[in-house]
Amino acid sequence: AQSVTQLGSHVSVSEGALVLLRCNYSSSVPPYLFWYVQYPNQGLQLLLKYTSAATLVKGINGFEAEFKKSETSFHLTKPSAHMSDAAEYFCAVSDRLPGGGNKLTFGTGTQLKVEL
Amino acid sequence: GAGVSQSPRYKVTKRGQDVALRCDPISGHVSLYWYRQALGQGPEFLTYFNYEAQQDKSGLPNDRFSAERPEGSISTLTIQRTEQRDSAMYRCASSPGRGTGELFFGEGSRLTVL
Repeated sequence: AQSVTQLGSHVSVSEGALVLLRCNYSSSVPPYLFWYVQYPNQGLQLLLKYTSAATLVKGINGFEAEFKKSETSFHLTKPSAHMSDAAEYFCAVSDRLPGGGNKLTFGTGTQLKVEL
Repeated sequence: GAGVSQSPRYKVTKRGQDVALRCDPISGHVSLYWYRQALGQGPEFLTYFNYEAQQDKSGLPNDRFSAERPEGSISTLTIQRTEQRDSAMYRCASSPGRGTGELFFGEGSRLTVL
């Protein structure tokens, strides 16, 4: 079964500093990988996805992630943190399901705090 | 509708009662998913439908949990004889069907069993 591991349940950065949220995956086949963001009292929103095209993926709100097969990693970065980035971030890997659906297996999440 | 809609947003019930959680997916989306998210954890897969057919229910924890999507649109997740350990956020998601796996999530239904 495919899985993802997120290192660090809580990350704190200063406003304007680099954001780095770590995700490592385990997959027996080339994976589809995702980062979702969850703001308080809201649903999960897709930030970006890797689907075996370009290894550097750009998403919304200035976030990007790089797929590194050799390191089985898909870390999320943003050059300059903003207060509005404070949220919980989830990495996920996709499994194909019978009937053509996609089961997402999520990591345990990383809570990002942005300080002045 | 514009997004995935779930109701109720909050449900408090007593142990032993049955609860039904509703999900209205994005119009035209073929696939519908139910996930459960415990505090401090990521969402965990429960079950999934293509149109009205339940394709996979391997994530349902036991036979007290069931789901249906009779007309291929709105879905209901039912938990019978609720227990305190059922307390969690229940999330519904939909997707257009075959593709790269992006799911569109609703805001969730938070269930508290006393």
